[in-house]
Amino acid sequence: GAGVSQTPSNKVTEKGKYVELRCDPISGHTALYWYRQSLGQGPEFLIYFQGTGAADDSGLPNDRFFAVRPEGSVSTLKIQRTERGDSAVYLCASSFTSTGELFFGEGSRLTVL
Amino acid sequence: GEDVEQSLFLSVREGDSSVINCTYTDSSSTYLYWYKQEPGAGLQLLTYIFSNMDMKQDQRLTVLLNKKDKHLSLRIADTQTGDSAIYFCAERPGGYQKVTFGTGTKLQVIP
Repeated sequence: GAGVSQTPSNKVTEKGKYVELRCDPISGHTALYWYRQSLGQGPEFLIYFQGTGAADDSGLPNDRFFAVRPEGSVSTLKIQRTERGDSAVYLCASSFTSTGELFFGEGSRLTVL
Repeated sequence: GEDVEQSLFLSVREGDSSVINCTYTDSSSTYLYWYKQEPGAGLQLLTYIFSNMDMKQDQRLTVLLNKKDKHLSLRIADTQTGDSAIYFCAERPGGYQKVTFGTGTKLQVIP
């Protein structure tokens, strides 16, 4: 597709479970970002990839959160031992231009019961 | 560190101008952005301004930047009901790729 694709669009899980969220960026975009958006808040930076490497993971809240981008395209955000406070919309964005314009997917809504 | 602040809510009548304000803290910000988020959708870039500019106009949108006061504004002329959305201000420091977003301003356009 032409845009950033995120799957699943909705995920309901139980506290303590493991979750994977997938992002398929725009073809050719070298930069990929993960953000988390809670209700009524702006997107909160989690991690940024340039190619295959995590250039900045300073926003990951704790070691339960991990993200990979093994081939420099698709990325997976992994959350271990989910907690109710992890409930949010997880947004992925990709970028190519020097101006840093981010192209966002529609997000994956995670609900932890 | 970076911090971007916005007022939470703005209500205007259709046809009037809307002005959404934003303050940021990082004086090294190179690019400043305005994104729009419609209900249930991802964010979409509306416009951006480079830090060496004071103003940028794009059709109904006018961005004003006051670097001294670290203040950014977005003016929407002839506001339409389709402009109802949440507007996010964002900044990116020079030489760095991390983009920091504000809390968003919800614009309500009254017919």
